[in-house]
Amino acid sequence: GENVEQHPSTLSVQEGDSAVIKCTYSDSASNYFPWYKQELGKGPQLIIDIRSNVGEKKDQRIAVTLNKTAKHFSLHITETQPEDSAVYFCAANSGAGSYQLTFGKGTKLSVIP
Amino acid sequence: NAGVTQTPKFRVLKTGQSMTLLCAQDMNHEYMYWYRQDPGMGLRLIHYSVGEGTTAKGEVPDGYNVSRLKKQNFLLGLESAAPSQTSVYFCASSSDTDTQYFGPGTRLTVL
Repeated sequence: GENVEQHPSTLSVQEGDSAVIKCTYSDSASNYFPWYKQELGKGPQLIIDIRSNVGEKKDQRIAVTLNKTAKHFSLHITETQPEDSAVYFCAANSGAGSYQLTFGKGTKLSVIP
Repeated sequence: NAGVTQTPKFRVLKTGQSMTLLCAQDMNHEYMYWYRQDPGMGLRLIHYSVGEGTTAKGEVPDGYNVSRLKKQNFLLGLESAAPSQTSVYFCASSSDTDTQYFGPGTRLTVL
């Protein structure tokens, strides 16, 4: 089955700096890669996603890049703010058209004011 | 539009007790999922359903049962709780094979 590795497990940045979280996946048939943000005591919330027919997607300060050849994708957050502090999870579907997601183990991002 | 709701929010059980977690969604989604979240382990799929009356096993199904009698509800049951089932449980739903929307979670402690 699909295996998703996520790095780093913790990340601290100064407010205003950029943050990058990287994930690799094992199943070359995977074609959907969402990113979730989880604040303390809450459920994960989708912040951005990308499909395998696209190399990059942006939404204001957040961007995701996908390298299908290397089977890795990354989340980029620019101009970080204290409210960006949370745990971020990447995920990949289990093959094209699959409704099952495999999640990475998460990255705890701390933005220092 | 409440999205995905979960009942209860917190629960403490003794080993061997049983309980049912309720998930409800008002988005008319076909697919529903139950995950557990443990420290450092991410989210792991327990069971899922692709429609009313259907259920299937996920990555970690042992010790759990599920039912989907109505499209909007997905129940997760623990017949004989064990300390290893102490976790935070999340329900999610989706309309297709992509975006999953999560509920707020149920924190379960088994003593």
